[in-house]
Amino acid sequence: RKEVEQDPGPFNVPEGATVAFNCTYSNSASQSFFWYRQDCRKEPKLLMSVYSSGNEDGRFTAQLNRASQYISLLIRDSKLSDSATYLCVVAAGNKLTFGGGTRVLVKP
Amino acid sequence: ETGVTQTPRHLVMGMTNKKSLKCEQHLGHNAMYWYKQSAKKPLELMFVYNFKEQTENNSVPSRFSPECPNSSHLFLHLHTLQPEDSALYLCASSQFSGGFTGELFFGEGSRLTVL
Repeated sequence: RKEVEQDPGPFNVPEGATVAFNCTYSNSASQSFFWYRQDCRKEPKLLMSVYSSGNEDGRFTAQLNRASQYISLLIRDSKLSDSATYLCVVAAGNKLTFGGGTRVLVKP
Repeated sequence: ETGVTQTPRHLVMGMTNKKSLKCEQHLGHNAMYWYKQSAKKPLELMFVYNFKEQTENNSVPSRFSPECPNSSHLFLHLHTLQPEDSALYLCASSQFSGGFTGELFFGEGSRLTVL
């Protein structure tokens, strides 16, 4: 089983729609969780951290489910500019593990 | 000026060549990283330096040799590479304080092609 697993997609999303996807992790000692965004042929950039109680940043909502060992990202009112690969990152101590990414394509 | 700068952006080399990738961070961070990103694979951590000391070597072949002369500069020396080493090599920095609690800042990457 991969340490951090994501559905590679692509998720084809009509503009204005809501899309959600998960990331599962295998290390129960994982402490910190993040979503990064990577545009085509660009470097990854932090989108948001994921807190135990769940958190929201504008149209983006992140959730953590420790019992089932997954995190989720929900994007509301999708914009064309949301098209990217979303990388799940899980930290245990000073070890970071990246998921393979979920590709999202928002179409007019 | 971007926070993390990598040069060269593109590199083509033969299997017998020796080349180096350079990374410089202007963010005052104390940790620097090399990652490898191959097509359809997750980012793979290669090396970590905290306060110029290497703290992680993720079973990387010896044909990759990192060097960290100070907390702002990181090099990846390459020699006798294989075609399967062709990938995007990303440098990143962060502020490390006993564990990862913050954000990784990535450079734009060096795209390497080994012929």
